[in-house]
Amino acid sequence: KNEVEQSPQNLTAQEGEFITINCSYSVGISALHWLQQHPGGGIVSLFMLSSGKKKHGRLIATINIQEKHSSLHITASHPRDSAVYICAVRFWIQGGSEKLVFGKGTKLTVNP
Amino acid sequence: DTAVSQTPKYLVTQMGNDKSIKCEQNLGHDTMYWYKQDSKKFLKIMFSYNNKELIINETVPNRFSPKSPDKAHLNLHINSLELGDSAVYFCASSQDWRGGLYEQFFGPGTRLTVL
Repeated sequence: KNEVEQSPQNLTAQEGEFITINCSYSVGISALHWLQQHPGGGIVSLFMLSSGKKKHGRLIATINIQEKHSSLHITASHPRDSAVYICAVRFWIQGGSEKLVFGKGTKLTVNP
Repeated sequence: DTAVSQTPKYLVTQMGNDKSIKCEQNLGHDTMYWYKQDSKKFLKIMFSYNNKELIINETVPNRFSPKSPDKAHLNLHINSLELGDSAVYFCASSQDWRGGLYEQFFGPGTRLTVL
């Protein structure tokens, strides 16, 4: 079982809809990242957070440390938002080093 | 000006060969990473270096050897290539790594195909 679970795996929406992508993890973390991978393959970092909520344009990311859960929301979705959204968590392991584990991604398709 | 660049973009080679992928960042960052994305699009971290020092070394075959000649470069050398090494390899950099709250900037990826 992956330490990071994303849902849904695939999501199709109509332009303008409100989108929510979920990420759950099983251990205490130091940080959580949301990444966007475009159809062409390029990867862009959207958010890094360790608590609370962050907003950037139409994108909002929230994290609940107690529930070990994060959500990525897209308001007023647009076809250009079509991409794979990847959650990654960073946590400390014994010996003081870090581990970075990725979810399997959520493929979002927004139709016009 | 490309922030994180990788060469080559595509690499097709035969099993058993040795190959290298180069990565350079011009952002002045201290930390660099190598990731592997397999055919199922699953990303996994392979290595991370901070100021030329190895800080993350996931369980990868020792045929993979990262080399950081300076903090702006992190090259990936792969010996005795196998079919399962076929994947897209992404390089990334961040200002620092402590606490995990530094934005990572990704290179365009190198698609490696082993025949």
